[in-house]
Amino acid sequence: GENVEQHPSTLSVQEGDSAVIKCTYSDSASNYFPWYKQELGKGPQLIIDIRSNVGEKKDQRIAVTLNKTAKHFSLHITETQPEDSAVYFCAGGNTGTASKLTFGTGTRLQVTL
Amino acid sequence: NAGVTQTPKFQVLKTGQSMTLQCAQDMNHNSMYWYRQDPGMGLRLIYYSASEGTTDKGEVPNGYNVSRLNKREFSLRLESAAPSQTSVYFCASSDRVQETQYFGPGTRLLVL
Repeated sequence: GENVEQHPSTLSVQEGDSAVIKCTYSDSASNYFPWYKQELGKGPQLIIDIRSNVGEKKDQRIAVTLNKTAKHFSLHITETQPEDSAVYFCAGGNTGTASKLTFGTGTRLQVTL
Repeated sequence: NAGVTQTPKFQVLKTGQSMTLQCAQDMNHNSMYWYRQDPGMGLRLIYYSASEGTTDKGEVPNGYNVSRLNKREFSLRLESAAPSQTSVYFCASSDRVQETQYFGPGTRLLVL
């Protein structure tokens, strides 16, 4: 089955700096890679996703890149703000009748003033 | 539009007790999922239902059963709870077009 590894496990940046979180996956058949943000006591919320036919996707301060050859994808957050502080999860999987996802172990991002 | 709702929010059980976690979605999604989240381990898929009337095992199904009651509801049952099942349980749903999974707020379960 799919195995997704995520680094780093914790990340501290100053407000206004950029943050980068990296994930690798093992199954070359995986074609869908979402990123979720989880705030304390809440369920994960999708912030951006990318499919295997696209190399990069951007939404305001958030971007995701995908390298299918190397089997890795990354989340980039620019101009970080205190409200970006949360746990971020990457995931990989196959879409179809149900989008079965394998999640990374999470990155706790802290944005300091 | 409430999205995905889960009940209860928090539950304490003794070893050997049984309980059912309830999940409902009002987005007319075909697929529903149950995950557990443990510290340092991310979210792991327990069971999923691709469509009404079907269920399949995920990564960690042992000790659990599920029922897809109708298109809206997907329940998770622990027949004989064990301390190893102490976790936060999340339900999610997705449609066939966007395939984005939307998560509920979670149920925190403590088994003593």
